[in-house]
Amino acid sequence: QKEVEQNSGPLSVPEGAIASLNCTYSDRGSQSFFWYRQYSGKSPELIMSIYSNGDKEDGRFTAQLNKASQYVSLLIRDSQPSDSATYLCAAFNDYKLSFGAGTTVTVRA
Amino acid sequence: SAVISQKPSRDICQRGTSLTIQCQVDSQVTMMFWYRQQPGQSLTLIATANQGSEATYESGFVIDKFPISRPNLTFSTLTVSNMSPEDSSIYLCSVEHRGTNTGELFFGEGSRLTVL
Repeated sequence: QKEVEQNSGPLSVPEGAIASLNCTYSDRGSQSFFWYRQYSGKSPELIMSIYSNGDKEDGRFTAQLNKASQYVSLLIRDSQPSDSATYLCAAFNDYKLSFGAGTTVTVRA
Repeated sequence: SAVISQKPSRDICQRGTSLTIQCQVDSQVTMMFWYRQQPGQSLTLIATANQGSEATYESGFVIDKFPISRPNLTFSTLTVSNMSPEDSSIYLCSVEHRGTNTGELFFGEGSRLTVL
């Protein structure tokens, strides 16, 4: 079983719509959770971090965490063509950050 | 935010050779991390490098294949030894944002290696 699993993509959404990305993790000891965005040919960049159950909003991005269900999600509201990228979910425990395989999002103009 | 410089940015290598990747950070950091991203795949942690001690390798990665140096708090190298085509990957250096053991990482731009 992979430590971090993401919903399979690719995900195509029209401009202005909501993109919904899901992620589950297997290690109950994971302490914090992250979403990284990776544009094609570029390195990942951190866009959201979440440490406690509930929602965290930052601009058009909302991260949700449910530790009981071992579930993390990312919502991108009012999706823009510039949001087209691969989104990597990551879980952190004991000095190690484990990444999911990523979900590729394409925002159609 | 940390500025991380990696060299080389890309290289084409022959089977059986070795290549050393350099990672320079613009501030002192306790831990530096080396990741591999194979084509179309996600990131896999190779090892964690602390200054003044041996690197800690993840399962499936060994020091003989991926020797790491960490001579000071701003610099590290990763060597990919005796390369085969399966080593064709992007190798990424990363450091933690906002201190130690946060899980929030900055990444360098990566070193894209192609092994023929």
